[in-house]
Amino acid sequence: AQSVTQLGSHVSVSEGALVLLRCNYSSSVPPYLFWYVQYPNQGLQLLLKYTTGATLVKGINGFEAEFKKSETSFHLTKPSAHMSDAAEYFCAVSDRSGGSNYKLTFGKGTLLTVNP
Amino acid sequence: DAGVTQSPTHLIKTRGQQVTLRCSPKSGHDTVSWYQQALGQGPQFIFQYYEEEERQRGNFPDRFSGHQFPNYSSELNVNALLLGDSALYLCASSLRDRGFYEQYFGPGTRLTVT
Repeated sequence: AQSVTQLGSHVSVSEGALVLLRCNYSSSVPPYLFWYVQYPNQGLQLLLKYTTGATLVKGINGFEAEFKKSETSFHLTKPSAHMSDAAEYFCAVSDRSGGSNYKLTFGKGTLLTVNP
Repeated sequence: DAGVTQSPTHLIKTRGQQVTLRCSPKSGHDTVSWYQQALGQGPQFIFQYYEEEERQRGNFPDRFSGHQFPNYSSELNVNALLLGDSALYLCASSLRDRGFYEQYFGPGTRLTVT
């Protein structure tokens, strides 16, 4: 069974500061990994994904994440926070074996607050 | 290119009633998944439809059922509503032959059960 743990339900940073949102996963097979962002009263928007190949993946809005198999982690970073980054962020894992039909398992989310 | 659409946006129902939520997938997509997002939680997988059949189901009771139509749109039905069914219901579509089944989400339907 897959699971996702997001460390820190709430992260607060100053505008211009580094953003680091932590995600650890558990999966019996090599996973696909995703970060989604959710703005208030909206659905989920895909920020970035890891499937195969390069372990450092770049996404939209200046975000990037690094897949570290040895640490079972997929932390999300952005060098300089902007006020518009304030939102809820979800890490998700998908089993790449065909039998599971690729359902997404989400973490509980991290609320990012950006202070002026 | 139209994205995933869901209707209605908001819905208020009374305990014991039945509700139907609708989803139209992104153009070109053939697979629809439904998720329930309770307040303050991450989305939880309900079930997935492909070729008009339920292919996988999460840990939800039989009160939750669904359907997929030949045009790939989908419905989620919930019977005998409970207060605990109050949540944001998200539909996600994907293309099965894509290789990694990236899922695109709609804006959701906010269901309130009173």
